[in-house]
Amino acid sequence: NAGVTQTPKFQVLKTGQSMTLQCAQDMNHNSMYWYRQDPGMGLRLIYYSASEGTTDKGEVPNGYNVSRLNKREFSLRLESAAPSQTSVYFCASNPGGIGYGYTFGSGTRLTVV
Amino acid sequence: RKEVEQDPGPFNVPEGATVAFNCTYSNSASQSFFWYRQDCRKEPKLLMSVYSSGNEDGRFTAQLNRASQYISLLIRDSKLSDSATYLCVVNFYGGSQGNLIFGKGTKLSVKP
Repeated sequence: NAGVTQTPKFQVLKTGQSMTLQCAQDMNHNSMYWYRQDPGMGLRLIYYSASEGTTDKGEVPNGYNVSRLNKREFSLRLESAAPSQTSVYFCASNPGGIGYGYTFGSGTRLTVV
Repeated sequence: RKEVEQDPGPFNVPEGATVAFNCTYSNSASQSFFWYRQDCRKEPKLLMSVYSSGNEDGRFTAQLNRASQYISLLIRDSKLSDSATYLCVVNFYGGSQGNLIFGKGTKLSVKP
């Protein structure tokens, strides 16, 4: 069982380029999340989707867009990458509601030069 | 502001030692609490949930003090493989969906 799968694992972008980070889960979870993790900053929520068809901003949404394509897939798009978006990006999912921890993907290491 | 505070460490301990991590949270309405473990350059993984009555999983014991708004994790008989960053995680229930707020983590290094 794959759990949460993220692609790509590594990416280097030039400033101004765009890209989409893909995330898929096979656990039939309702809720999905995108986080970024920077040294000294911990995990910060970018966007989340409580259920299929809904998306909401998290703590640091500027410069990002998301799409909940279906129950399994939740993508994160950088329209015009900036060096400040160099980070490790994690996708996560959970069944929905309180009381559940999250299952994380293995992350995407993004460098914007 | 939603906050979860942890001592960043690092905690450097010898094998076999007992080590304790504490964490405080700011929102008294929080309802769910967890400890996650994150190895270097890996994703966070759920270590254990924290229940009001306290709970134990092998060498790991988690405690919750709602009145003081703090959570603790005790690791007994530390192993080299326990070396990792431990994240305190709290759910802030708001609207129709709660979100997990992660502390910045406490780094543990277990030495031979």
